[in-house]
Amino acid sequence: DAGVTQSPTHLIKTRGQQVTLRCSPKSGHDTVSWYQQALGQGPQFIFQYYEEEERQRGNFPDRFSGHQFPNYSSELNVNALLLGDSALYLCASSLLHSGNTIYFGEGSWLTVV
Amino acid sequence: RKEVEQDPGPFNVPEGATVAFNCTYSNSASQSFFWYRQDCRKEPKLLMSVYSSGNEDGRFTAQLNRASQYISLLIRDSKLSDSATYLCVVTKSGGYNKLIFGAGTRLAVHP
Repeated sequence: DAGVTQSPTHLIKTRGQQVTLRCSPKSGHDTVSWYQQALGQGPQFIFQYYEEEERQRGNFPDRFSGHQFPNYSSELNVNALLLGDSALYLCASSLLHSGNTIYFGEGSWLTVV
Repeated sequence: RKEVEQDPGPFNVPEGATVAFNCTYSNSASQSFFWYRQDCRKEPKLLMSVYSSGNEDGRFTAQLNRASQYISLLIRDSKLSDSATYLCVVTKSGGYNKLIFGAGTRLAVHP
């Protein structure tokens, strides 16, 4: 049973560029949440997708957008990258209407130069 | 004010020591409480849930005080392998699995 998988694991982008990060949730899970973790900080909630719709959103600008596909996988897109977007981006999967454990992927390390 | 606050540490302790971490949360509507563990450059992993009655898992004991909006984690007989960052996490009623993390407390256990 595959856990949460994310790609790519590491990437370097230039200011102003755009990036797409991908996530496949754990088998049987229907909800994907994205978090940003800057160095020395705890993960911060970006948004959550369920039934291919954004259900909740944290305090992130519109440059951050996402998508969920019918197979429950998800993408996080960030436009007009800033140096401050450099962080670990974590995908978390869960079953929405269940109290079961939330599982994290290993994350995508984004460096903006 | 941050929703979840923790002492950032680091806590440097010898093997065998007992160490306690504290956490406060600001939103009284917080519903569920957890401690996650994060190793360097890895993803967070659930260590344990925290219940009002207090709960224990081996060397780890978690306590919740809803009146004071305070959560604690006690680690007894520290091992080298306990070295990590410990993240205090809460969710809110209706938050549907939206986790709110503290900044984490770093623990370094030395021989």
